[in-house]
Order: sequence, then structure tokens, then C-alpha cells
Amino acid sequence: SQKIEQNSEALNIQEGKTATLTCNYTNYSPAYLQWYRQDPGRGPVFLLLIRENEKEKRKERLKVTFDTTLKQSLFHITASQPADSATYLCALGSTGRRALTFGSGTRLQVQP
Amino acid sequence: GAVVSQHPSWVICKSGTSVKIECRSLDFQATTMFWYRQFPKQSLMLMATSNEGSKATYEQGVEKDKFLINHASLTLSTLTVTSAHPEDSSFYICSATPASGLDNEQFFGPGTRLTVL
Repeated sequence: SQKIEQNSEALNIQEGKTATLTCNYTNYSPAYLQWYRQDPGRGPVFLLLIRENEKEKRKERLKVTFDTTLKQSLFHITASQPADSATYLCALGSTGRRALTFGSGTRLQVQP
Repeated sequence: GAVVSQHPSWVICKSGTSVKIECRSLDFQATTMFWYRQFPKQSLMLMATSNEGSKATYEQGVEKDKFLINHASLTLSTLTVTSAHPEDSSFYICSATPASGLDNEQFFGPGTRLTVL
């Protein structure tokens, strides 16, 4: 069955450092992958989308890589700030199916 | 742009009652809306896909008679939890896909916290 794995343990880093979150998947051939931010008690907020034929995407302090051979995406936040503290979800999508399949998320805590 | 609202943001009800949750796209028309459920520290699980003017498509294991979905207009979908029980307590989140947007654009509502006593 399809499986998306994100590190369930919280990631704690110091302000100013780069945070790197991992999303691995099995039994899936996604057409694209998305990263979302979710704050407690709130809905997910879209951050970045990367397609299967793209290796890397950047947006301000955010960078996403997508390796379809390793079946893995890495999500980087550079110069992290305490305001970046949240849970980050990866979600996979297929062509012809608009619904997304989500990972369980990784909680990031940036210490001042 | 692309704002999705949900109402109510939280609701507490007695076991056996029905609860209706609304999902609205405020500044765009949504041909498709999705309903997800999220338990604490878990992933968002897709419950059903709601298409305007047609019956919803439910995911395996989701009871369509218990979770009634109506998508009567391009800006409104409703989820009714019928005869709610404590195990239905969860965070319900909707998302919407613009009629004129890319296939993979989804905008999420803020969620509705349901607590069944």
C-alpha cells in the first residue's frame, strides 16, 4: 500500500540555522509533491509545489528537492526563525486525481 | 485571493445528534471540494471528494450514510455528521480547487473541531 513517511520526532534547531525535513514515500509514483505548513488547530497552508520532472524549487528562504529515484523530497528552511516553528506536511498528488495524500508531518521548533 | 472558510470553527454536541459543517470558497468558484479528517498528531485523511452538482465520491471505509456531503453550488459544500458518536470527534478540514485554476491547486479551510460528548 502507498506510504508516506515523515520523521515523527520533532526537529529542534537554533535560530539562524538551516532546517531540513524529509519526506519519503513507497508504492507511489507521484506527478507532483507539495509542502504545507500547519499551525496548531489550523488548516494547512500551501508553501511549495514541485513536479516529478523538477529537481529543485526555491521560494525565498525555502527550498525543496525531489528525487524520484530515491523516492524522497527534502524541504529546507534557511536562516530559520522562531516564527517558522510549526508542523510541516508533505503531500503527494497524481495526474487525474486531485485529492492529495498527506504524510503525518514533522514538527519544527526553532529556538531563539 | 483564494480564501476558503469553514463554519463553525468548533462545535460540541451530544452523542446521537447531527452536526453540519460548511465549507465556502469566498473569492473563487470551486468545482471540486475535498473533506479531510485529522486526528491528533496524525495525517490528514481524505474522507470524500465533493463535485458540484453530483454525488460525492467517498474513500474506502468512510460511511456515506453517516457523513452526508452536499455540494449544491460552486462556492459551498456541506458535511453533515449524522448521529455523531464520541469516536467521530476530530478536526475536519475542507479544501477547494478553483474552477479556473491548475489541476493541483488546493486551498484549505481553517478546519472545524468537532467534540462529541
